[in-house]
Amino acid sequence: EADIYQTPRYLVIGTGKKITLECSQTMGHDKMYWYQQDPGMELHLIHYSYGVNSTEKGDLSSESTVSRIRTEHFPLTLESARPSHTSQYLCASSEPNGDTQYFGPGTRLTVL
Amino acid sequence: GQQVMQIPQYQHVQEGEDFTTYCNSSTTLSNIQWYKQRPGGHPVFLIQLVKSGEVKKQKRLTFQFGEAKKNSSLHITATQTTDVGTYFCAGSRGGSYIPTFGRGTSLIVHP
Repeated sequence: EADIYQTPRYLVIGTGKKITLECSQTMGHDKMYWYQQDPGMELHLIHYSYGVNSTEKGDLSSESTVSRIRTEHFPLTLESARPSHTSQYLCASSEPNGDTQYFGPGTRLTVL
Repeated sequence: GQQVMQIPQYQHVQEGEDFTTYCNSSTTLSNIQWYKQRPGGHPVFLIQLVKSGEVKKQKRLTFQFGEAKKNSSLHITATQTTDVGTYFCAGSRGGSYIPTFGRGTSLIVHP
């Protein structure tokens, strides 16, 4: 198993709140990713990063933002949470020259 | 952009029956990875295929990469209840391209 961590694991929050989902990895991987996944459904890439100070939007339009100030840390922020943001958010990382992705345990977000 | 189609979306089997899921890419791939996600869990890497026509086995699981490197399959022999989950393929074009995931096949095994 890879060393990639996500906090919190579960979050229930009210509409309009600002939230940050944390993702950290201790493997020194340059590439990191955020996916959104509804239960039993496909993975939607929402953000990715090739390394420090690199961030790109993924295939799925998202109202969230990300930052990559340190190699090991790739937080995702929602400025104003809405019920439509209710989902599971999965963080992953991969080696610079590899495509294999190592996933964190995920954050299950519920916005009331 | 690159598309990776995966079928079927769901598969119900009786325990002991075989199971196969297929992935097809719109473009030639550099490699393909397979992942398993247990219900309530996160995707876990199973294997990567790189060579044209490659076949790899992990116990009851057999993975194939097509000769044209545009399709792949995962076959499970004699399914068990522990095989329940969603199986994803992810195709890569290599270099700076981000792997594209298929929609996944959910396997339900009835005891």
